[in-house]
Amino acid sequence: GAVVSQHPSWVICKSGTSVKIECRSLDFQATTMFWYRQFPKQSLMLMATSNEGSKATYEQGVEKDKFLINHASLTLSTLTVTSAHPEDSSFYICSANGGLPRESPLHFGNGTRLTVT
Amino acid sequence: QKEVEQNSGPLSVPEGAIASLNCTYSDRVSQSFFWYRQYSGKSPELIMSIYSNGDKEDGRFTAQLNKASQYVSLLIRDSQPSDSATYLCAVNRVSSASKIIFGSGTRLSIRP
Repeated sequence: GAVVSQHPSWVICKSGTSVKIECRSLDFQATTMFWYRQFPKQSLMLMATSNEGSKATYEQGVEKDKFLINHASLTLSTLTVTSAHPEDSSFYICSANGGLPRESPLHFGNGTRLTVT
Repeated sequence: QKEVEQNSGPLSVPEGAIASLNCTYSDRVSQSFFWYRQYSGKSPELIMSIYSNGDKEDGRFTAQLNKASQYVSLLIRDSQPSDSATYLCAVNRVSSASKIIFGSGTRLSIRP
């Protein structure tokens, strides 16, 4: 149980273009999903908390206009990297907890490796 | 002070020995604690969750929690080369917005 699917697993795009990453909970409903970013040899950094039916909550230093998050249903959250630049190249990982209770652990998607040329 | 602290390593342990990974956290009211394993280029996978003081065992893994001292540890018995990975400690912080905070991870290397 608690399977999280993320797509695509990797993407290469040119500077200035936008990239959309999808995160789906396959066997449970996720009112909250989390988006992380990880640079090589560094830890996971929480970017934002995606809330179904409402605005995402962004961590300090994360540009909400650059990283657009949409959580339109209980099983799907999307992250769009707008006007991507080479410094946005990173490993993006979504996660959700397996439903109630709130303290249950996070389960991660397989991640999306973004390369901006 | 970081919310969740781990020694970055690398920690080198001979095959068959016990690997001991430690983590401290700053939010005293945290209630949920997790250990994740992450192989290079992959996303983290859950190894253990622990919610109350004491030890919790699952196969070769034992998680230990001491809320008074604000530390959580992971023991891996009979270490195997396949255990070589980065181990992330995670804490569910509830004092403000509930969210899971990760430590920077400890790189573990099991030498044959």
